[in-house]
Amino acid sequence: QVQLVESGGGVVQPGGSLRLSCAASGFTFNMYGMYWVRQAPGKGLEWVAYIRHDKSKEDYADSVKGRFTISRDNSKNTLFLQMNSLRVEDTATFYCAKPQGGSPPRPLDTWGQGTMVTVSP
Amino acid sequence: AIQLTQSPSSLSASVGDRVTITCRASQGINSALAWYQQKPGKAPNLLIYGASSLESGVPSRFSGSGSGTDFTLTISSLQPEDFTTYYCQQFDSYPLTFGGGTKVEIK
Repeated sequence: QVQLVESGGGVVQPGGSLRLSCAASGFTFNMYGMYWVRQAPGKGLEWVAYIRHDKSKEDYADSVKGRFTISRDNSKNTLFLQMNSLRVEDTATFYCAKPQGGSPPRPLDTWGQGTMVTVSP
Repeated sequence: AIQLTQSPSSLSASVGDRVTITCRASQGINSALAWYQQKPGKAPNLLIYGASSLESGVPSRFSGSGSGTDFTLTISSLQPEDFTTYYCQQFDSYPLTFGGGTKVEIK
């Protein structure tokens, strides 16, 4: 079955860095653009970043532009999110998500279980 | 960025009730709207896409309608497992945006 498993979350001080990973299985990973979405504790959902299936395009929310970098390794079916210059307001559960097939953007039909990132002094 | 305004932010209802949640976009998005259900501590689950298409495996008591700027999610007969939070999302253009959520609580 289609599955996404995130890892790499943890506690970090403001200004620090973390690298999240998302291992994909059950679908042809290199045919899908992929997304990161986050949710601060008790808050709503916020799209963070997108990368095309062939790595030719990336897109970021203004709140993370210049600090976060999305990447992927299609040979290992893995999505990444490099997070630098972390701020307290980046504290959230981070989800990777797969879209439906078709021309992007598309709704997100598969989500990982999420990984928690806590930025605290 | 396209803003999505969901209403109400919360509602109280009983098992068997018909419930409607509204999502209004700040500009026209054709039918590029999805609805998700999220249970506490879990990832969101896609219910409706293209404003009115039911995702595979989702019970038929869920339905969506609308186009342009005004959309609705309707649950025809609330079941105990439906008391949770719902989000709309537009996929017309980047940045993707979500509504603020609607929490459906037991009356």
